Parts: sequence; structure tokens; C-alpha cells
Amino acid sequence: EDQVTQSPEALRLQEGESSSLNCSYTVSGLRGLFWYRQDPGKGPEFLFTLYSAGEEKEKERLKATLTKKESFLHITAPKPEDSATYLCAVQAGSGGYNKLIFGAGTRLAVHP
Amino acid sequence: DAGITQSPRHKVTETGTPVTLRCHQTENHRYMYWYRQDPGHGLRLIHYSYGVKDTDKGEVSDGYSVSRSKTEDFLLTLESATSSQTSVYFCAISDSPLETQYFGPGTRLTVL
Repeated sequence: EDQVTQSPEALRLQEGESSSLNCSYTVSGLRGLFWYRQDPGKGPEFLFTLYSAGEEKEKERLKATLTKKESFLHITAPKPEDSATYLCAVQAGSGGYNKLIFGAGTRLAVHP
Repeated sequence: DAGITQSPRHKVTETGTPVTLRCHQTENHRYMYWYRQDPGHGLRLIHYSYGVKDTDKGEVSDGYSVSRSKTEDFLLTLESATSSQTSVYFCAISDSPLETQYFGPGTRLTVL
């Protein structure tokens, strides 16, 4: 069964304390891996797409990497405004529709 | 922000009543999706549409129906709401099945 697991469920960091969020997946036919940020009461906001093992994408303090079994979202010197829930989603399958499977998310809190 | 609006943003209803949620886009994207988000679960696909009058089921479609009579509008109907359908509902759009999905702001539905 296709599955996406994110860890940890929640993470508390001090401002400036770098860390990584993990997204591990078991799917057949990976087409792409997506990272989203979700603030309370809002819809997910797109961050990155990764398509193949070894690929990396960066945006400000965030860097996403991909291997054959997992993806990491590295947060360097985080600020309080980076506090949010980070969602990972894997697009899998073949043919006309490729379903998007979401993990449950990691809630990140960055304290001054 | 992608041009996606959802209405209503909040709704409280009683068990057994019909409910319709609306998603409106101004991006002219072909694909539209309805998800629900519940604590401890990732976003789960209810139904999706790949064109006007073309729809298909997702993983949690029981108790829901959809309609798309115009490119810009995708309606989600709960024919007879149940308490298990209390959730936050998100609409998403994409240009093709492999492209990034962009999400609306969500509708919080409470069924008493």
C-alpha cells in the first residue's frame, strides 16, 4: 500500500537552531515529491517539487533533498515566522491520473 | 496566491441536512480537486475533475457528490450530512495531473 510518513510529528526549535524534517515514502511509481507549508486556518502553500533522487531545491532558509526512500526539509537558522505545519506529498502511479498522497505533517514551532 | 476562492468559509449544520460547498478559480486550470483534512490524517482526496462534466472518485468519496458545469466552478455536495463529515475541506487546482496542485483557503464544516 502506498504510504507517506512524516517525522517528527512536532518540533520545537530555538531561533537560529537548524534542524531537518523527514518524509519517508513507500509508493509504486514515484512521479514527484512536493513540500507545502500550512499556517493555521489557511490552505497549504506550495514550496518545492522534487522529481529524482539526488535533486535539491532551496528557498531562503529552506532546502529540500530527495533520495529513493525519503526526503528531508532542512531549515537553517530558523526564525519565528518559519513556524507552521510542513506537509509532504508524493505523486505516484501511472496513466491518466497520478494520485497525490499526503503525510500527516510536522508542526514546527520556532521560539525567539 | 493562486486565484482560488471557497465558499462558505465556515458552516455549521445539522445531521441529515444537505450541504454544498463551492470552489471558484480564475486560473482556467483544467483539474480541480476536493480534499478533506482531519487531525492525525494527511489531506485525503474526495473527488476530482479533469474537465467540465468530467469527474472521478478519490479515496474517501462515500457520502459525497460533485459537479462541474463550468471550468471555473467545482461543487461538493453532502447529500445528508453526518457528524463524521465534520472536517476542513480544501479545494485545489492544477493545470495537468502531474503539475503542482494549488490550494484554496478552506471551508470549516461542523455537523452537529
